[in-house]
Amino acid sequence: NAGVTQTPKFQVLKTGQSMTLQCAQDMNHEYMSWYRQDPGMGLRLIHYSVGAGITDQGEVPNGYNVSRSTTEDFPLRLLSAAPSQTSVYFCASSYPDKTQYFGPGTRLLVL
Amino acid sequence: RKEVEQDPGPFNVPEGATVAFNCTYSNSASQSFFWYRQDCRKEPKLLMSVYSSGNEDGRFTAQLNRASQYISLLIRDSKLSDSATYLCVVTLNYGQNFVFGPGTRLSVLP
Repeated sequence: NAGVTQTPKFQVLKTGQSMTLQCAQDMNHEYMSWYRQDPGMGLRLIHYSVGAGITDQGEVPNGYNVSRSTTEDFPLRLLSAAPSQTSVYFCASSYPDKTQYFGPGTRLLVL
Repeated sequence: RKEVEQDPGPFNVPEGATVAFNCTYSNSASQSFFWYRQDCRKEPKLLMSVYSSGNEDGRFTAQLNRASQYISLLIRDSKLSDSATYLCVVTLNYGQNFVFGPGTRLSVLP
């Protein structure tokens, strides 16, 4: 049972490049979400999904897109990377109102 | 005002000490409550859920006061391995949204 997996673990991008952060879970959880965590700040919700085909914006959605074509996968797309998007990104999954399980994170540096 | 606020910390305590963390939340419609632990450069992991009647898990005790919108975590007999950041979490919107506090960092010193 792998839980929540994220790839890549580390990534360096140049300003303006695009990339997709992958997230997958094998617990059949309906709910998946993406957070970013910056030094001295808590986890901030970027986008979330309550089931396949349903996504919604969180607190800081600008510059990011998501889709949820299957229950298992919830990729996060950076359309045109900016230095302000340098952060640690965590994906999480859960049943609604139950414990959230987090992936190991992706450390992103945008130059 | 932030939705979830916590003691700013850091807390530096000797081994064996008892330490208490406080958390307040602003939305009275918050449904569920949790404490998570996050080690340096790692993902957050559930420490314990918080129930209205209060609950205990070994050296850890969590309390919830819905009227005051206040959550607490008490750690007794601190161990070096308790050093981490402790995150207070509430859920909103029928459990669809998890709102994290900024965290309180604990260092347990030998």
